[in-house]
Amino acid sequence: DVKVTQSSRYLVKRTGEKVFLECVQDMDHENMFWYRQDPGLGLRLIYFSYDVKMKEKGDIPEGYSVSREKKERFSLILESASTNQTSMYLCASGLFGIQYFGAGTRLSVL
Amino acid sequence: GEDVEQSLFLSVREGDSSVINCTYTDSSSTYLYWYKQEPGAGLQLLTYIFSNMDMKQDQRLTVLLNKKDKHLSLRIADTQTGDSAIYFCAETLPGFGNEKLTFGTGTRLTIIP
Repeated sequence: DVKVTQSSRYLVKRTGEKVFLECVQDMDHENMFWYRQDPGLGLRLIYFSYDVKMKEKGDIPEGYSVSREKKERFSLILESASTNQTSMYLCASGLFGIQYFGAGTRLSVL
Repeated sequence: GEDVEQSLFLSVREGDSSVINCTYTDSSSTYLYWYKQEPGAGLQLLTYIFSNMDMKQDQRLTVLLNKKDKHLSLRIADTQTGDSAIYFCAETLPGFGNEKLTFGTGTRLTIIP
C-alpha cells in the first residue's frame, strides 16, 4: 500500500524559530511536493523536487526552503517562522498529476 | 495564467445526487482531476479525465468536461454520509513541470440525513 508519511500531525512553534517538516515516501517516486492549505484558498504549491538535490519554486516559496538529500525524503524548512505561516502543510509524491498525500502537519506559530 | 474556481460549500440530502462544479481558465490543460479530502486526512485521487474526453464514468462517479466553457463537474450518485468531504478539482498543463497540479479552492460537501 502506498504511503507518504509526515513526521508530525501537530506542531506549535514560536515566532523566529527554525522549523523542519519532514516527509518520507515509499513509492520510489522522483517527484515530491510541499503545499500549504488555507481555508478558502485551496492548496498552494510551495516547492517541488523532481530528483535528489533538485528543487523548483512553486507559487509561494517566500519564507521557505527545502532539502532533498535522498529520494524518499523531502524536507520543508521555515528559516524564521512567522505567524502568517500558521497553516496546514501537506506533502505529496507522484507522477503526472497523480499524487499521493500525507495526512498533513498543522503548524501553529505563536 | 492559471486559475481554478469552485464554490466553497454544497449541501445535499442523503440518497440524492451531488454535483460539484469547477471552472478553469487555461485552455491548454492536459488532464483534469478530482481529489477528495476526508476530515483529518490528506487528499486522495478520486478520478481524472484527459482533456480530449468529455465524459468519464466510474461506479457512482461521473465526470463531465465542457472544454468550450472550461467547465468540469463531478456528479456523485446516491450520495452517502461517507461522501462528506472537501472535493478539489485540479489541472495539469503541458510541458516541463507538467507534474505540477493547480488546485481549486475546494468544495465542502455536507450530507443532510
